[in-house]
Amino acid sequence: NAGVTQTPKFQVLKTGQSMTLQCAQDMNHNSMYWYRQDPGMGLRLIYYSASEGTTDKGEVPNGYNVSRLNKREFSLRLESAAPSQTSVYFCASSDLGAGGYTFGSGTRLTVV
Amino acid sequence: AQSVTQLDSQVPVFEEAPVELRCNYSSSVSVYLFWYVQYPNQGLQLLLKYLSGSTLVKGINGFEAEFNKSQTSFHLRKPSVHISDTAEYFCAVSGGSNYKLTFGKGTLLTVNP
Repeated sequence: NAGVTQTPKFQVLKTGQSMTLQCAQDMNHNSMYWYRQDPGMGLRLIYYSASEGTTDKGEVPNGYNVSRLNKREFSLRLESAAPSQTSVYFCASSDLGAGGYTFGSGTRLTVV
Repeated sequence: AQSVTQLDSQVPVFEEAPVELRCNYSSSVSVYLFWYVQYPNQGLQLLLKYLSGSTLVKGINGFEAEFNKSQTSFHLRKPSVHISDTAEYFCAVSGGSNYKLTFGKGTLLTVNP
């Protein structure tokens, strides 16, 4: 089925470890986004990529880096994980002008 | 800059009762408005969206929302809820040329038997 695929679904890291969250979409969307979801905070934008070859900071970019590998793939990297980065991470994509995002099923990350 | 305020963090209702989830927004440009639903341990699913045209928008699962520009509101309504409607609901706004979505903090709808 067409959509947004995130890997892994669950991850436990120790403080200071690094990891990359992967995201791929097969809808030929131009734009891709990374959000984090925390209880009572809604979803907050970490980074986005309006089109292939461009990336921009969102509301909460500190501690993260991103790579738009090609039109399909947009990865999120934590270089040195901290307990404050314990969260659920969602990747999304959109077709500019059509309205609305398609979300992946999320990655639940715990940093101990 | 744009922002979204969901006025209720939790809304408990009984099955078959009507419900309204309130959303107000602010933006300096014309906006697109959305409601998403998140069932437990799942991603977000689009319920409905307002892009232009009729201010009454119908979505999936019997939900509808009305765009009110003068009151900067986009409230979500359903005339009769079911147990299966128990979920968290997020209002979101995008505006300008970058199409970034700004989300509210969510409203947890709990439908009791």
